[in-house]
Amino acid sequence: DQQVKQNSPSLSVQEGRISILNCDYTNSMFDYFLWYKKYPAEGPTFLISISSIKDKNEDGRFTVFLNKSAKHLSLHIVPSQPGDSAVYFCAATFGRGGFKTIFGAGTRLFVKA
Amino acid sequence: GAVVSQHPSWVICKSGTSVKIECRSLDFQATTMFWYRQFPKQSLMLMATSNEGSKATYEQGVEKDKFLINHASLTLSTLTVTSAHPEDSSFYICSARGSGVNEQYFGPGTRLTVT
Repeated sequence: DQQVKQNSPSLSVQEGRISILNCDYTNSMFDYFLWYKKYPAEGPTFLISISSIKDKNEDGRFTVFLNKSAKHLSLHIVPSQPGDSAVYFCAATFGRGGFKTIFGAGTRLFVKA
Repeated sequence: GAVVSQHPSWVICKSGTSVKIECRSLDFQATTMFWYRQFPKQSLMLMATSNEGSKATYEQGVEKDKFLINHASLTLSTLTVTSAHPEDSSFYICSARGSGVNEQYFGPGTRLTVT
């Protein structure tokens, strides 16, 4: 049972444009969501997170939007840069550090120069 | 801050031997550490969760006698692959999480090749 789903295995975007990565979840108990970025042969890097009490969190070029009623979140990258090309993992958890984090399958982003 | 290291970054071993991978949180105390395995072009597969001073909790299908996990201190966890076989060849990644927070910080991974 996939509790966290990233239905798009890949996404291609032109440099300078917006990249939108989507994620859906099924467990209504999740109250904290995270995005990680991963380059090949490296460990994932934490990017940005959002608590369920918010619907938006912004950090530089990265913004995460949360729609609790739809059980959907998205990561926006504006403007996209070639260095953003990587695999992006959506993750969800609940409680304060008391539960394991469930990861989506990842979306590979290609940013074309 | 929030740096996690892994050692070695890559290792080649022969079938039947054991390999130990270390995961260290360098600038924070990791009350919980996680071990993941990633197959080519696939997502992260959680193998086990370990809390400092406690026995690790293994995910379904992961052999605890084959993948020995020790979380002896708040900054160090080790994964030992015992009696390694070629099918154990994979990319192993650890992550660490501090007390009362949700963010995990990942190590750079260890590429294991069993010949």
